[in-house]
Amino acid sequence: QSVLTQPPSVSGAPGQRVTISCTGSSSNIGAGYDVHWYQQLPGTAPKLLIYGNSNRPSGVPDRFSGSKSGTSASLAITGLQAEDEADYYCQSYDSSLSEGVFGTGTKVTVL
Amino acid sequence: QVQLVQSGAEVKKPGASVKVSCKASGYTFTSYGISWVRQAPGQGLEWMGWISAYNGNTNYAQKLQGRVTMTTDTSTSTAYMELRSLRSDDTAVYYCARVVPAAIGWFDPWGQGTLVTVSS
Repeated sequence: QSVLTQPPSVSGAPGQRVTISCTGSSSNIGAGYDVHWYQQLPGTAPKLLIYGNSNRPSGVPDRFSGSKSGTSASLAITGLQAEDEADYYCQSYDSSLSEGVFGTGTKVTVL
Repeated sequence: QVQLVQSGAEVKKPGASVKVSCKASGYTFTSYGISWVRQAPGQGLEWMGWISAYNGNTNYAQKLQGRVTMTTDTSTSTAYMELRSLRSDDTAVYYCARVVPAAIGWFDPWGQGTLVTVSS
């Protein structure tokens, strides 16, 4: 059972902005551990999208941005494109479990 | 370029063991750790554990303690994940990923995945 909670799905029309929340607790995000985000296209391995809460690896479009506050983090996609249709996961570390943890995952649909 | 290449798909019977390999290239293997993540059909990502390629230290998910062993061979820059006493709910795609910069960092890149099917 995931300790990081995400909405099961979000959707938006091309060009719109969507946000995905990642809610944790005082033993993971709230304890100061960084949050990272991954994009998983159908049938492929996950790909790093955001690291260290808000940093984009080279090659990731600046339409993707991340933020963190308190016990939650968010991923925003602006100027939504058809190619952004995928599953998105947040990831952090939990000190009470002493384990890495993933969010429940969010499916983004482009209308 | 940094790359992780995993071994091929496996079909195992309940109670058997499976060992998946993950060969790294394009970077100094001993400077990073490797994590293993699995994904059951239609489900989310599950963290299985981490191994330091520098000194072999490991940290396993409590759920898998006693059934999983992660090792590395620095001479071939290869990481291994062995899962024993397989059950049907172990059927999943298993991924390896380089951990940056340390045990609790981010995962980049990922291997292509290895499908393990447990069926009688």
